[in-house]
Amino acid sequence: DGGITQSPKYLFRKEGQNVTLSCEQNLNHDAMYWYRQDPGQGLRLIYYSQIVNDFQKGDIAEGYSVSREKKESFPLTVTSAQKNPTAFYLCASGRLGSAYNEQFFGPGTRLTVL
Amino acid sequence: AQTVTQSQPEMSVQEAETVTLSCTYDTSESDYYLFWYKQPPSRQMILVIRQEAYKQQNATENRFSVNFQKAAKSFSLKISDSQLGDAAMYFCAYRSAQDTDKLIFGTGTRLQVFP
Repeated sequence: DGGITQSPKYLFRKEGQNVTLSCEQNLNHDAMYWYRQDPGQGLRLIYYSQIVNDFQKGDIAEGYSVSREKKESFPLTVTSAQKNPTAFYLCASGRLGSAYNEQFFGPGTRLTVL
Repeated sequence: AQTVTQSQPEMSVQEAETVTLSCTYDTSESDYYLFWYKQPPSRQMILVIRQEAYKQQNATENRFSVNFQKAAKSFSLKISDSQLGDAAMYFCAYRSAQDTDKLIFGTGTRLQVFP
């Protein structure tokens, strides 16, 4: 089945450690996105990528890094510079050029910093 | 900058009844897209319905329909014949036709459905 997978579902990290969240899609979508969700807030865009080997910062990129070496994959690294990393992280993908350019979401990763 | 406001943090409805969730947005643009997403307890975001600003006809998808009032910058979601499975967080989102990547979300409305 086509879709977006994120792993792991739950992730625990000690303060000062970097951690990488995985996102893979087999929808053949060009664009991929990372969002952060906090309680009582909507989703906020961290990074996005329209093409392999290129990506742009979203609204809250500080303390995060990404790579896009393959069309199917867009991993997110939460670095020790991110002051408050505990949150729910959602990955999405979309097909550029479609009328609505709607985004399809993965199941998310819950990151907790201990 | 565009903003999306959902003024109802929580709503409740009886099974089989109808409920309307509110969404307003602020933009100076004339061409844009609006979306409603559902986030059930599994937390995966699911697209419910979408609307293009240039289309006057309100979008419908089975039991879900919208009331799009462009002049008032309002985009409410109506759920008819509510079912227990409709219980979820609902997010309204805006996307400019110029910026094809950026979805701007509201803070969400939690919908409870009572039998």
